[in-house]
Amino acid sequence: GAVVSQHPSRVICKSGTSVKIECRSLDFQATTMFWYRQFPKKSLMLMATSNEGSKATYEQGVEKDKFLINHASLTLSTLTVTSAHPEDSSFYICSARAGAFYYGYTFGSGTRLTVV
Amino acid sequence: DQQVKQNSPSLSVQEGRISILNCDYTNSMFDYFLWYKKYPAEGPTFLISISSIKDKNEDGRFTVFLNKSAKHLSLHIVPSQPGDSAVYFCAASESSGSRLTFGEGTQLTVNP
Repeated sequence: GAVVSQHPSRVICKSGTSVKIECRSLDFQATTMFWYRQFPKKSLMLMATSNEGSKATYEQGVEKDKFLINHASLTLSTLTVTSAHPEDSSFYICSARAGAFYYGYTFGSGTRLTVV
Repeated sequence: DQQVKQNSPSLSVQEGRISILNCDYTNSMFDYFLWYKKYPAEGPTFLISISSIKDKNEDGRFTVFLNKSAKHLSLHIVPSQPGDSAVYFCAASESSGSRLTFGEGTQLTVNP
């Protein structure tokens, strides 16, 4: 089946630094990838939709200069948290759509970001 | 504005009994619904889905029921097993878009 690999699974960084999270579709091409953020005991909140070869579409309230998304190829999308602050600490999850059907949404294993 | 709601943050059932997880939605444009299972520090995994043209979909121990008039869906797991213990998210999508809207999740604990 469709597999999405997300790295790193866990990262601790200092306040003010930037962190890059990678999301790769291993056995399929993903023209669209999604980035979610999950707060403790909360739902998955869609941050942005990443389209290969074009600019990402950000959800309302998500700072595009803070959360840089690059989808340069059909198998790789990256999320860079720039100038990270403790409030950016969260669980970030990417998702890719393997096909036209809704069950084709495959999620990565997530990245736990802790900013100290 | 929470368009998909799971009002029960947690549910505890005995092994072998039925687990019923509920989900309500407010957006009448939603026409496809999915359930995901999530373990700590992992991404969600797809469990089962249902289209709005159906009112029931069954896959092994898992059955999803959809009541469009009440804007309510439920996931039944029977018999429940300890390995089913996880957080269950319901999600919904509009046919015109590709984004999923998730509920807050319900932590299911199945006790041996």
